[in-house]
Order: sequence, then C-alpha cells, then structure tokens
Amino acid sequence: DTAVSQTPKYLVTQMGNDKSIKCEQNLGHDTMYWYKQDSKKFLKIMFSYNNKELIINETVPNRFSPKSPDKAHLNLHINSLELGDSAVYFCASSHGTSGRAIDTQYFGPGTRLTVL
Amino acid sequence: QKEVEQDPGPLSVPEGAIVSLNCTYSNSAFQYFMWYRQYSRKGPELLMYTYSSGNKEDGRFTAQVDKSSKYISLFIRDSQPSDSATYLCAMKVDNTDKLIFGTGTRLQVFP
Repeated sequence: DTAVSQTPKYLVTQMGNDKSIKCEQNLGHDTMYWYKQDSKKFLKIMFSYNNKELIINETVPNRFSPKSPDKAHLNLHINSLELGDSAVYFCASSHGTSGRAIDTQYFGPGTRLTVL
Repeated sequence: QKEVEQDPGPLSVPEGAIVSLNCTYSNSAFQYFMWYRQYSRKGPELLMYTYSSGNKEDGRFTAQVDKSSKYISLFIRDSQPSDSATYLCAMKVDNTDKLIFGTGTRLQVFP
C-alpha cells in the first residue's frame, strides 16, 4: 500500500550514459512532481505535471526530460549524465491547488543517483 | 540570495529540551507555509501546514508565522530522540503548486 514509489532506489552509472527513473502514485492525485536534492540537502523543484500536462518547468538542462504516460506515473529520463547530476531525486504527488486552499505534497523515498 | 533562508545547523539538544527552528523569506507573496521532516535516507513528510499569519499547534509541535517580519518558526516541546531529523521549511504563493524550500536544519536530540 505504498503511496508514492520510485525505482530504482539507487543508481550508479558512468558519465555520458542515459538513465531513467520511474515514479508511481496510488493516491489518486492529479499532480506529480520531480525534485532534486543536492548534497547539502537543498530541495528544488524541477518539473510538475497535472493530468499528464506539463505545468512547472524550472531552469533545468534539456538533458532532463519528464514523461507522464498517465496521471499515476511520472518518469524522468536523463541523457548524457554529468558528474553534477549526482543527487537524490524525489518524486511527489498532490491533488493540485485547483479548487483547494491547502494541498499536501507526498514524497517518494527518493532515488540516489551517483555519476562516476 | 535564496528566496528562503534556513540555518543548516546541526542543532544538538538534550532530550526534553524545547527546540526552535526558523526560516526567513524575501517574497511577500508567499501565503502558505509548511514544515517538512526528513529522516536520513527517506523522503520528506509534511509536519505542519499554516496559511497566512498566526500560530498552529499539533501535539508537541507549534508553527508560527509572522508575515510582517517574513519569519516562520517551528517549536518542538519535550523533544525526543525520535525527533532527530532534518527539518525543511517550505512556502508557496496562492494558486500555484510550486513549493520553495529552505535548505533544512539538521536536528539531533540526544538521550
């Protein structure tokens, strides 16, 4: 009965490779997010999707491409990995603010990416 | 300068102490203020959620927002070793899903 799940949990890869991280939520939420947390624990939003539509697209290199096949899934594909991409990537989901005053974001367990 | 500033700590206190965690921010449009707790190697989980100014209490936790000073606080009473975690403040403007996080304060409560 996991709410927000991510795979894989750990990812170790060489510079220049392409990799994907998958996220699934079973909370019935309409909005999903990708966050990056650096080594100093700073958590920054990268993208959000609402019902498969891209809503938030922060200043992220275009090597990062999110894809939402349906509203319960949001995947992150990263091309040509660089050393600076090493971080923990968190997926989150929420109902979205449309019509709601308070909207809680629920986070997955994270994917720890190490680029060598 | 980041939109939200938070002292990274670490903050080390004995069990039973009152803990005060704080964030300052620069964007006066922020309306919603949250505190997330993140245990080591886990995802953040929501602790407290407040709208606009004022206090909100939930058990041993009290969240305080002072919009005039652009300052928010989280107080933990009777702190326990299980409270040892990183505490992240987060905030957002109305009608947006975009959360802006502080850098987090690492708290350690020793027995």
